[in-house]
Amino acid sequence: EVQLLESGGGLVQPGGSLRLSCEGTGFTLINFAMTWVRQAPGKGLEWVASITGTGHGTYYSDSVKGRFTISRDNSRNTLYLQMTSLRPEDTAVYYCARGVTTVTMFIDYWGRGTLVPVSS
Amino acid sequence: SYELTQPPSVSVSPGQTARITCSGEALPKKYAFWYQQKSGQAPVLVISEDNKRPSGIPERFSGSSSGTVATLTISGAQVDDEADYYCYSADSAGTYWVFGGGTRLTVL
Repeated sequence: EVQLLESGGGLVQPGGSLRLSCEGTGFTLINFAMTWVRQAPGKGLEWVASITGTGHGTYYSDSVKGRFTISRDNSRNTLYLQMTSLRPEDTAVYYCARGVTTVTMFIDYWGRGTLVPVSS
Repeated sequence: SYELTQPPSVSVSPGQTARITCSGEALPKKYAFWYQQKSGQAPVLVISEDNKRPSGIPERFSGSSSGTVATLTISGAQVDDEADYYCYSADSAGTYWVFGGGTRLTVL
């Protein structure tokens, strides 16, 4: 059974940094592209960043480019999102999601999400 | 950037057919995927590659795409189908990914 488990969320002050992790089980991470998606309270889903299976290709939304970095450690079956210069508008539940192939960011499985409140 | 446009809400009576549209310039070249999200839960894939239904998704869910519009159809909608529905696709280069704004389906 495919499972994705996010961790690392929590309250952070504006301007601060945080690193989210996502461990995948039930599949081999290198065979799939991975994506982070967020959802602000009461709002819709927002694509944040994606990475190909090998890690050679990374893609970012305009709202996080230059502040967030997506990466992966396939030996640990783990995906990461390093977030810096955090703003109140980054407050959201952050979901880890699996792509359908090594290079396609279409999503088939989702984690349960981790909450990141950005507030002083 | 790139945008996908959905109606904010759709309302039907139980047993009726609900149709949710998603419009985007790149949809003639790119698939649309559809996700269902119930309150307090993570999204679930209900339609992939415009019209494929994953294992475990009821047959009343179907998808289609024509030109710049993709459509999710729920035939014989049930109260349990009440949820937010999102389409998801990419720009023509395949490097910028977006969700539609979401459509709240009410069945009552």
